[in-house]
Amino acid sequence: QQPVQSPQAVILREGEDAVINCSSSKALYSVHWYRQKHGEAPVFLMILLKGGEQKGHEKISASFNEKKQQSSLYLTASQLSYSGTYFCGTAGGTSYGKLTFGQGTILTVHP
Amino acid sequence: GAVVSQHPSRVICKSGTSVKIECRSLDFQATTMFWYRQFPKQSLMLMATSNEGSKATYEQGVEKDKFLINHASLTLSTLTVTSAHPEDSSFYICSAPTGSIGDTQYFGPGTRLTVL
Repeated sequence: QQPVQSPQAVILREGEDAVINCSSSKALYSVHWYRQKHGEAPVFLMILLKGGEQKGHEKISASFNEKKQQSSLYLTASQLSYSGTYFCGTAGGTSYGKLTFGQGTILTVHP
Repeated sequence: GAVVSQHPSRVICKSGTSVKIECRSLDFQATTMFWYRQFPKQSLMLMATSNEGSKATYEQGVEKDKFLINHASLTLSTLTVTSAHPEDSSFYICSAPTGSIGDTQYFGPGTRLTVL
């Protein structure tokens, strides 16, 4: 089943923060976050494994709560380059790398 | 990060013809690759899992006789869209897990297929 992302879209001004959530009805082994620009392929941001870890990548970080089967992506002090569609991809323990993607969250950052 | 290439990046073909798309892992070996299809403003939908040395595994609803997958080597998988029709027009993207912990996957740049 497809994970559910929220919000569907968010509009920010440069420097503002945003949170994108990803929720699954299935037990998860890992959550993968990607950003896709219009007309391009998704670009890998980070992966989180079960264990409730939190990871960071410059001003973008994420958390994974395996008990709640949820992950959140945090974007702080947003930049124009952060604009795009963000997808979470989820994998169960026996999926051998198969990812099921959420519907995406469109993030627009204005000057 | 790891590099995955795809060729061609764009293809326009006539209805009824076949189109082959190549996916290569450039700096790592991939015994498994995945093929996705993405329609405008939609999410990525997994079509099939390409397995080196064995048959591909197709997702429910994907016609295996229409979308032929061959994993010829540890660095190359091909997707052939046979007898293409306008409704097959889409963005086709492959991905390959690197084999690292959690199986980080990197996507190829995608192939935009337009069937006239």
